[in-house]
Amino acid sequence: AQKITQTQPGMFVQEKEAVTLDCTYDTSDQSYGLFWYKQPSSGEMIFLIYQGSYDEQNATEGRYSLNFQKARKSANLVISASQLGDSAMYFCAMRSRSGNNRKLIWGLGTSLAVNP
Amino acid sequence: EAQVTQNPRYLITVTGKKLTVTCSQNMNHEYMSWYRQDPGLGLRQIYYSMNVEVTDKGDVPEGYKVSRKEKRNFPLILESPSPNQTSLYFCASSLFRGGHEQYFGPGTRLTVT
Repeated sequence: AQKITQTQPGMFVQEKEAVTLDCTYDTSDQSYGLFWYKQPSSGEMIFLIYQGSYDEQNATEGRYSLNFQKARKSANLVISASQLGDSAMYFCAMRSRSGNNRKLIWGLGTSLAVNP
Repeated sequence: EAQVTQNPRYLITVTGKKLTVTCSQNMNHEYMSWYRQDPGLGLRQIYYSMNVEVTDKGDVPEGYKVSRKEKRNFPLILESPSPNQTSLYFCASSLFRGGHEQYFGPGTRLTVT
């Protein structure tokens, strides 16, 4: 069965420092995609970054980068130069590329607090 | 602006009173989906649709109905809501082939008393 594990329920980081949010996944599929979403206290789900299982390079989007280690089945999110507005819940998710259902399998999230 | 809209954003209702949460997207996406988010359980898929008139159950479909009569709309229907359907609901859409991002609506916070 497919599963996403986020082992850090809560994290603190000092403003302007970098932080890594952990994500490990379990799947028997060869082709899959990994996502990170941000959910601020207002509740909306904001897409941050995507990594395909066949992508050779780690994905980057501005201050966000994804540290993809396929053999270890990990897809950690790195946020550089943290800002106060980064305080939110962060979710790792996975989607199989097989089948018709493009369902995302979600982790339980990590709550990030950025301290001034 | 590309977006997924949901209405209402907040709803408090009573057990057994039928309700509909609307979802609409303006990106011509084939695929649409409903999730519910509950503390300790994360997000779970309720129903999904691959295109007009094509819908299928997700992981937690009991107590919900959907329809897809038009490509842009994918309403979620609770025929007889119960307190265990109190949750935060998200509608999402994406291309069925190509692309990868799923666009999420702003969420609907439903309370059933």
